[in-house]
Amino acid sequence: AQSVAQPEDQVNVAEGNPLTVKCTYSVSGNPYLFWYVQYPNRGLQFLLKYITGDNLVKGSYGFEAEFNKSQTSFHLKKPSALVSDSALYFCAVGSNTGGFKTIFGAGTRLFVKA
Amino acid sequence: GAGVSQSPSNKVTEKGKDVELRCDPISGHTALYWYRQSLGQGLEFLIYFQGNSAPDKSGLPSDRFSAERTGGSVSTLTIQRTQQEDSAVYLCASSLRTSGAYNEQFFGPGTRLTVL
Repeated sequence: AQSVAQPEDQVNVAEGNPLTVKCTYSVSGNPYLFWYVQYPNRGLQFLLKYITGDNLVKGSYGFEAEFNKSQTSFHLKKPSALVSDSALYFCAVGSNTGGFKTIFGAGTRLFVKA
Repeated sequence: GAGVSQSPSNKVTEKGKDVELRCDPISGHTALYWYRQSLGQGLEFLIYFQGNSAPDKSGLPSDRFSAERTGGSVSTLTIQRTQQEDSAVYLCASSLRTSGAYNEQFFGPGTRLTVL
C-alpha cells in the first residue's frame, strides 16, 4: 500500500528566508515522488519529481527537493521565499509496483509574509 | 486541446439527483485520473484509467460512483442519487503514454459540485 504524509498543515516564513515543506512516504517497491502546487483560484501544477538518479532534484520557480531513502522523506525546499510562493503544496507518491496509482498528501499551506 | 478540460465548471444539484462530470484529457495521454478535493482537504484518489480500462476502482467512495472512458480519450464520472457529502471539487488529470506512475500529471480546472 502507498501512503504519504505532510505533517504540517501550514508553514509560515518571511520573504527572503529559506523554506521547507515536509513530506514522508511509504510504498512497496521503488518510489516515484512528486510535488505539486495549487495557487489560489488556479489548478494544480507540477513542480518537480524524483524517479531515479540524483537525490537532489530541481524544479520550477527555484524549488528543489531532496530524496532521502533511509528517512523515506522528500522535503520541498527553496533558498529564498517570495510572497508569490504562498499557495497550497501537495506531495504525491507512486511506485514501480503500484501501476498508475498516485496518492496525494493532505497538503501544506505556505504563507510567505512580506 | 492544449490542456485538460472539464465540464461543467460548476454544478448545483438537488439531493437524490444523478450528475455526470466530463473530462477531456490532453491528446495522446494514455493515463487518466479522477480525484476529489473537499473544502480544506487534500486530494482523494477515486479511480484511474489505463487506456479504456480501470484496473483499480478501490478509491470510489460507494457504488453510487462510476466512471467510464471511451476511445482512450474522454471520461465521464457519474454520481447517482447524490448526497450532500458528495459536494466537492472533482479534478481530472492525465499523463503521457507510459507503463507506470512516473510521469507527472496535468490537471484540469475541476468541476465544483454542490449538492443542496
